[in-house]
Amino acid sequence: GENVEQHPSTLSVQEGDSAVIKCTYSDSASNYFPWYKQELGKRPQLIIDIRSNVGEKKDQRIAVTLNKTAKHFSLHITETQPEDSAVYFCAASRNYGGSQGNLIFGKGTKLSVKP
Amino acid sequence: DGGITQSPKYLFRKEGQNVTLSCEQNLNHDAMYWYRQDPGQGLRLIYYSQIVNDFQKGDIAEGYSVSREKKESFPLTVTSAQKNPTAFYLCASGRQGYQPQHFGDGTRLSIL
Repeated sequence: GENVEQHPSTLSVQEGDSAVIKCTYSDSASNYFPWYKQELGKRPQLIIDIRSNVGEKKDQRIAVTLNKTAKHFSLHITETQPEDSAVYFCAASRNYGGSQGNLIFGKGTKLSVKP
Repeated sequence: DGGITQSPKYLFRKEGQNVTLSCEQNLNHDAMYWYRQDPGQGLRLIYYSQIVNDFQKGDIAEGYSVSREKKESFPLTVTSAQKNPTAFYLCASGRQGYQPQHFGDGTRLSIL
């Protein structure tokens, strides 16, 4: 079945360093890839997304890259700050029948940024 | 996203009891979703609805039921058939198609 694998499950970086989280997906028809940030006990919040007709998208310190051939996409956070500490989830769209718009999520990466 | 309201924030269920979680949105979104979140498991889709009066099972629908009588509302009932209901439940909504989903604050369900 469809699957999204996310790595690493935990990531610890020093403040100011970069952080990279990688996801792979199984459905070659997936064409929408959002990333969510979830702080402890709170709702997931969309931080960036990318569609399959784009290879890279950037928003200030956050960027996402997509390699459709290899079926993987990555989140890059530069100049990390303690407030970036959270769990990050990647997701990929499903594309069969009436499920357009449905997402399948990775299991999350807990990012810790040490001051 | 202040446009999606989930209630209650905390809920306790007794053995053999059905409980209903509320989800209301004022974003005029057609699509609504229910997810279950367990530690280390990510978000798993329970049910979704693309339009009023229609809904579909997700990946883990057993032991749950939903209704979609109004565009704004998508309540989830956790039935007594769900033997392991303790989890964090998240409701989301979005426009139809490949669009961002916006989440509510969640309901944490525990067993008494």
